[in-house]
Amino acid sequence: DVKVTQSSRYLVKRTGEKVFLECVQDMDHENMFWYRQDPGLGLRLIYFSYDVKMKEKGDIPEGYSVSREKKERFSLILESASTNQTSMYLCASSVESNEQFFGPGTRLTVL
Amino acid sequence: DAKTTQPPSMDCAEGRAANLPCNHSTISGNEYVYWYRQIHSQGPQYIIHGLKNNETNEMASLIITEDRKSSTLILPHATLRDTAVYYCIVRVRDDKIIFGKGTRLHILP
Repeated sequence: DVKVTQSSRYLVKRTGEKVFLECVQDMDHENMFWYRQDPGLGLRLIYFSYDVKMKEKGDIPEGYSVSREKKERFSLILESASTNQTSMYLCASSVESNEQFFGPGTRLTVL
Repeated sequence: DAKTTQPPSMDCAEGRAANLPCNHSTISGNEYVYWYRQIHSQGPQYIIHGLKNNETNEMASLIITEDRKSSTLILPHATLRDTAVYYCIVRVRDDKIIFGKGTRLHILP
């Protein structure tokens, strides 16, 4: 089975802190994605990557950056966390253009 | 913007077939219909996808109308564990997924 893991299920940070959310997949997938999910807004794509060291902006990249140094790992970075970045963050991976496999999510609270 | 319209919620009795509709009247010829679901506090889970033919797998069946403007996801024997939000998505296979609001399915004991 494909496994997508995220570094934390729950995270609490303070405004202004630098936050790293890590995602690892074990199936050698080329594509990886970061979403955030908020009540009433559904899932929104932040960034995605089709290959190592490649990244593409999604629909809401402002306030975020990403890093993909290795194929299996895709990191989401909040340079200076703000309260409006309190959300559920979901990572996903896929091979070619097939279905995406999602991780369990990280619920981030910024105080 | 999501290209699909789904009812916000539905109920289904346990053991009965759950039929979840989706309208995608502006679908293009090269766009597939995908279904995902999200159980509370978990990441979304892929269910099934199709282009124009009906599809069936171990989880569900997908019925796509001949004009491809709508589709129905069928869970043949719904159980309480099928309670989730179901997302219908249309996309070109190489394109990103855009999730809409989905349908919240309640399975009633």
